Amino acid sequence: EAQVTQNPRYLITVTGKKLTVTCSQNMNHEYMSWYRQDPGLGLRQIYYSMNVEVTDKGDVPEGYKVSRKEKRNFPLILESPSPNQTSLYFCASSLGPGLHTGELFFGEGSRLTVL
Amino acid sequence: GQNIDQPTEMTATEGAIVQINCTYQTSGFNGLFWYQQHAGEAPTFLSYNVLDGLEEKGRFSSFLSRSKGYSYLLLKELQMKDSASYLCAVRDPGGNKLVFGAGTILRVKS
Repeated sequence: EAQVTQNPRYLITVTGKKLTVTCSQNMNHEYMSWYRQDPGLGLRQIYYSMNVEVTDKGDVPEGYKVSRKEKRNFPLILESPSPNQTSLYFCASSLGPGLHTGELFFGEGSRLTVL
Repeated sequence: GQNIDQPTEMTATEGAIVQINCTYQTSGFNGLFWYQQHAGEAPTFLSYNVLDGLEEKGRFSSFLSRSKGYSYLLLKELQMKDSASYLCAVRDPGGNKLVFGAGTILRVKS
């Protein structure tokens, strides 16, 4: 089954404790992206990757890191989480912006709470 | 930059037709998307417009006017399961980023 898988789905952590949210897709998609979703603000892009070893900042990259060492994986790293990073996070992938419609396929989301 | 506006909430009756509007101001345009998101779930793709006009897909249709910076999603024969948030999103000219509006919560009542 074609899917985007995120882990963990739920996490409560404390300020400053490094964490990684993993994302994996099995559709051989080149493009992957991370979004956070907050009430009233909609989905905001954190980072995106056009292909292996190619990443770039989205609209709200502060406090986050990413890496793309393999095509299928695109982990999101919070080196020193703060309460303002409490949010619902979505990973998404697509064939690529220039290919077909470029529609995004989303993971199920990871709800993160930073105390 | 890009700014996308859509109504916060709408209510409609089962079996009726509802139109959800989206206006955008962008420095360039490379396609507009509509996504559906049920509470607690991931967004799922509904439609894509890059040229002016109406795209029809079953009970759902999406319209685009690039000159007016305007789109709408039309849902016909509303069903209770259509209660969800509907997200309008515009792709930037470089094609690398998708900017979302805050979403419109649609409530379908019987």
